[in-house]
Amino acid sequence: AQSVAQPEDQVNVAEGNPLTVKCTYSVSGNPYLFWYVQYPNRGLQFLLKYITGDNLVKGSYGFEAEFNKSQTSFHLKKPSALVSDSALYFCAVPLEGIGGSYIPTFGRGTSLIVHP
Amino acid sequence: EAGVTQFPSHSVIEKGQTVTLRCDPISGHDNLYWYRRVMGKEIKFLLHFVKESKQDESGMPNNRFLAERTGGTYSTLKVQPAELEDSGVYFCASSQGVGPPWNEQFFGPGTRLTVL
Repeated sequence: AQSVAQPEDQVNVAEGNPLTVKCTYSVSGNPYLFWYVQYPNRGLQFLLKYITGDNLVKGSYGFEAEFNKSQTSFHLKKPSALVSDSALYFCAVPLEGIGGSYIPTFGRGTSLIVHP
Repeated sequence: EAGVTQFPSHSVIEKGQTVTLRCDPISGHDNLYWYRRVMGKEIKFLLHFVKESKQDESGMPNNRFLAERTGGTYSTLKVQPAELEDSGVYFCASSQGVGPPWNEQFFGPGTRLTVL
């Protein structure tokens, strides 16, 4: 079955350390993969997406994500975390639904907490 | 450029009452999506408009939910009658382009609905 998953409910990291927020997927064919971030009391904001090409995608606020086809993963990374990066992060992928349309499908979110 | 707006930001109603949520997308965005997030779970797709037409409403939970987008501008989502399990945060998002959801979506801040 097609799906997207975020295996960690919460990630804790110290400021200045590298961070990784994990996402795995299961789709038929080539996936389109997205990361969004939600700050408190705000809507989701687009960070980056992978469509094709270079496996390392660079996005907003210094974030990047690595597409790994063999591991069916699209982990979000940042070399040096900031306290202001603390937020809820969602991985998303359009999955084919009934009738051939594509349904935007989100993981359950990972809360990133960056400690000073 | 104004972002996606949603009204109200919060709504508390009793079981059996009716509530109407409104979403104003970014001007010129043909695609409008409704989502719901219940108690820290996944963001669930409800439906997708392209202009005034319902492209996909496979995520609508049941016939107590009615979405409209008259004139292809703002959209409303009515819940009638509301049940306890309808509580959650309802997000609206808009995007440009035609076809599958490969483009980034712009999200509103959400409406938090509480059914007592």
